[in-house]
Amino acid sequence: DAKTTQPNSMESNEEEPVHLPCNHSTISGTDYIHWYRQLPSQGPEYVIHGLTSNVNNRMASLAIAEDRKSSTLILHRATLRDAAVYYCILSGFGNEKLTFGTGTRLTIIP
Amino acid sequence: SQTIHQWPATLVQPVGSPLSLECTVEGTSNPNLYWYRQAAGRGLQLLFYSVGIGQISSEVPQNLSASRPQDRQFILSSKKLLLSDSGFYLCAWTVPGQGIGYTFGSGTRLTVV
Repeated sequence: DAKTTQPNSMESNEEEPVHLPCNHSTISGTDYIHWYRQLPSQGPEYVIHGLTSNVNNRMASLAIAEDRKSSTLILHRATLRDAAVYYCILSGFGNEKLTFGTGTRLTIIP
Repeated sequence: SQTIHQWPATLVQPVGSPLSLECTVEGTSNPNLYWYRQAAGRGLQLLFYSVGIGQISSEVPQNLSASRPQDRQFILSSKKLLLSDSGFYLCAWTVPGQGIGYTFGSGTRLTVV
């Protein structure tokens, strides 16, 4: 599976936008980019996924670079409940096996 | 709507005792099912996954086994627990080919003493 690289930790102020980066320089043409987050003592929660185009949903936006070698998860207005570990994962189409890395621990400052 | 049930929430077991964790999914058919483990302060490790009844793939050699006796039931077992089996066990499901993402259960926190 192609690997992703994320910063170990980030901090953001409450009510401000958060941009979480992910590098995936070895991504293949059929790899989807998935984002999950894990709150303390809970299972991971699906956030968003995309292939080539930018994606928006009620939780976040996913901006994918034109060469697909990087992506950014955007939380438009961070709340304290967004404090979690955020995982960026690649998975090939039809290969529904997700391999989690260490993710980015996001801290929200009140 | 689809739901996933996982139990128990917490479990304390002595070394050498057996283990059985159960996971069931409702509201979907033919899901892919997964068992993950998260050791304290570590990332999630995929242990087993299943694409159908009786079909189990093991990702890492270990003291555990998995079974899928019914379409929406996934069981994680051990005959004799080790201290290193302690961790947070998570079951997850997805429907293959639809890109809908994984849905995880609430997890079982296992402490082997």
